Amino acid sequence: ETGVTQSPTHLIKTRGQQVTLRCSSQSGHNTVSWYQQALGQGPQFIFQYYREEENGRGNFPPRFSGLQFPNYSSELNVNALELDDSALYLCASSLAGILQYFGPGTRLTVT
Amino acid sequence: GQQVMQIPQYQHVQEGEDFTTYCNSSTTLSNIQWYKQRPGGHPVFLIQLVKSGEVKKQKRLTFQFGEAKKNSSLHITATQTTDVGTYFCAGSNAGGTSYGKLTFGQGTILTVHP
Repeated sequence: ETGVTQSPTHLIKTRGQQVTLRCSSQSGHNTVSWYQQALGQGPQFIFQYYREEENGRGNFPPRFSGLQFPNYSSELNVNALELDDSALYLCASSLAGILQYFGPGTRLTVT
Repeated sequence: GQQVMQIPQYQHVQEGEDFTTYCNSSTTLSNIQWYKQRPGGHPVFLIQLVKSGEVKKQKRLTFQFGEAKKNSSLHITATQTTDVGTYFCAGSNAGGTSYGKLTFGQGTILTVHP
């Protein structure tokens, strides 16, 4: 086990709603990266937080936003959910982006 | 932007046969990481390669990083049913704006028939 936890495990939302996903990083790690993995695809980088600041963003719209807290845990917020947002959302914990260890993920279904 | 291509998409082998998956990046990488994802699971870190031409072994698994740091391979000798899963390579580009951003390949799904 990596020590990276995510909550909730599964979530069902309706199109147009908002969702917040949470990630607790491994002890000693100061960086959290978020990825979206659609079914049958590799994970796609959403953004990364390093020491409470966004440190890079992938090709995702502004309705995907995040936070990192002083204890380095993190949240991913998605507004105005669309059907295509249905995916496994993974957070990865690391020390300054090196050797990223993934949490178990949150499976989001948008109906 | 950076693209990472991985082949083959699927590989079916008999238990005991060897397996190889290949990864190619459109840009030079600072490092490459390999992950294994079991069905219904999450990516599990296997290894990181950093140096040009690097070769690392983990029991039956051999990982290589190309001289130009644009390609990599994972070779499994004498596959076992426990090797079943999807193997992903993920490249990191030191010249990018995101430190530690990983660009994943599409993955190779390995099935092993006993």
